[in-house]
Amino acid sequence: NAGVTQTPKFRILKIGQSMTLQCTQDMNHNYMYWYRQDPGMGLKLIYYSVGAGITDKGEVPNGYNVSRSTTEDFPLRLELAAPSQTSVYFCASSNPGQFYSPLHFGNGTRLTVT
Amino acid sequence: AQSVTQLDSHVSVSEGTPVLLRCNYSSSYSPSLFWYVQHPNKGLQLLLKYTSAATLVKGINGFEAEFKKSETSFHLTKPSAHMSDAAEYFCVVSDGGGADGLTFGKGTHLIIQP
Repeated sequence: NAGVTQTPKFRILKIGQSMTLQCTQDMNHNYMYWYRQDPGMGLKLIYYSVGAGITDKGEVPNGYNVSRSTTEDFPLRLELAAPSQTSVYFCASSNPGQFYSPLHFGNGTRLTVT
Repeated sequence: AQSVTQLDSHVSVSEGTPVLLRCNYSSSYSPSLFWYVQHPNKGLQLLLKYTSAATLVKGINGFEAEFKKSETSFHLTKPSAHMSDAAEYFCVVSDGGGADGLTFGKGTHLIIQP
């Protein structure tokens, strides 16, 4: 069982470029999330989705966009990359049918914007 | 509003000695609390969770945590540290309000000395 898969693992972008971080899960979870992790700052929620076709902003959505056309996939789009978006990005999923369902995380995408 | 404070950014112990990672929280509701572990270049993995059942919660790999409402604490302990425990540990509080209801602590880096 693969769980949550993120691609790519590493990426270097120039300022102003755009890219899409891919995330897919095979656990049939309805809830999916994008977090960013900065050193010493814990995880901050960027966007989340409670099902296909439904997305909502988290704590730090500026500069990002998401879509959720299927249950499995939840890509994160960066438009006009900025140095402040240098971070490690984690995708996660959870099953709302389980009481206080834990999050299942991918292994992350390490992004550098220069 | 809710918040979580991990009292130590770094903890260093010798292999075979006890581990204590401290976490305090604040919440307007009866919270659920979690500890996650992150090994280098990996995503976060659930260690244990408290959801208003028993106040002493046992998790994976010999870790446990005790919920103390009077002290608003949820400290993580292990009787005997192993080299494989070296990782980053995150305390997380949930108000149960929805998919965006999680607040992450800033993390504690656990170092195991041989």
